[in-house]
Amino acid sequence: GQQLNQSPQSMFIQEGEDVSMNCTSSSIFNTWLWYKQDPGEGPVLLIALYKAGELTSNGRLTAQFGITRKDSFLNISASIPSDVGIYFCAGRGGSQGNLIFGKGTKLSVKP
Amino acid sequence: GAGVSQTPSNKVTEKGKYVELRCDPISGHTALYWYRQSLGQGPEFLIYFQGTGAADDSGLPNDRFFAVRPEGSVSTLKIQRTERGDSAVYLCASSLGSGVYNEQFFGPGTRLTVL
Repeated sequence: GQQLNQSPQSMFIQEGEDVSMNCTSSSIFNTWLWYKQDPGEGPVLLIALYKAGELTSNGRLTAQFGITRKDSFLNISASIPSDVGIYFCAGRGGSQGNLIFGKGTKLSVKP
Repeated sequence: GAGVSQTPSNKVTEKGKYVELRCDPISGHTALYWYRQSLGQGPEFLIYFQGTGAADDSGLPNDRFFAVRPEGSVSTLKIQRTERGDSAVYLCASSLGSGVYNEQFFGPGTRLTVL
């Protein structure tokens, strides 16, 4: 099935560092979402974006909906050990229905 | 319960067997989605229900896969004649409705292993 291009595939950083990851698509999306998944759990929604150019924050997380509607990025500031996990971007082309996911960015944080 | 629940959490079966995976959505959520997540990949869409009807089943890989939601709440994903390639985590998600701003909340998944 179709998947988004998400990078980087993995990151290994020091606690306190900032993190940036992004997602691109060949198709236009009307909604961009960012999820975090811990081992043995389902994805948990972090941020939802609905308008091109929208910049939204949730605590130390900031995400933007690209102006072309074909990309999005997620930044995490001042990382902490509990940020460890796999981050997925997801897009939706229509107003309803299924999500298309990226392959994920695995984040490891060294105390 | 507060969230989406899925049973069983793990299922090991033999090639050729039939399996059923169950999803209990968040109470009051009318839309329900099934996804499949292979190791190292993101979830891939299988089927989506709005109420009792399948609104989009375009992600089902073949006719061995079937899902029902007879009363508009609990859903069952059914896989016939399982193959080793069916091994994956099957995720269920629900949302209040199916329009914009009605985001999907995921359950913990069922890990299916076909030997």
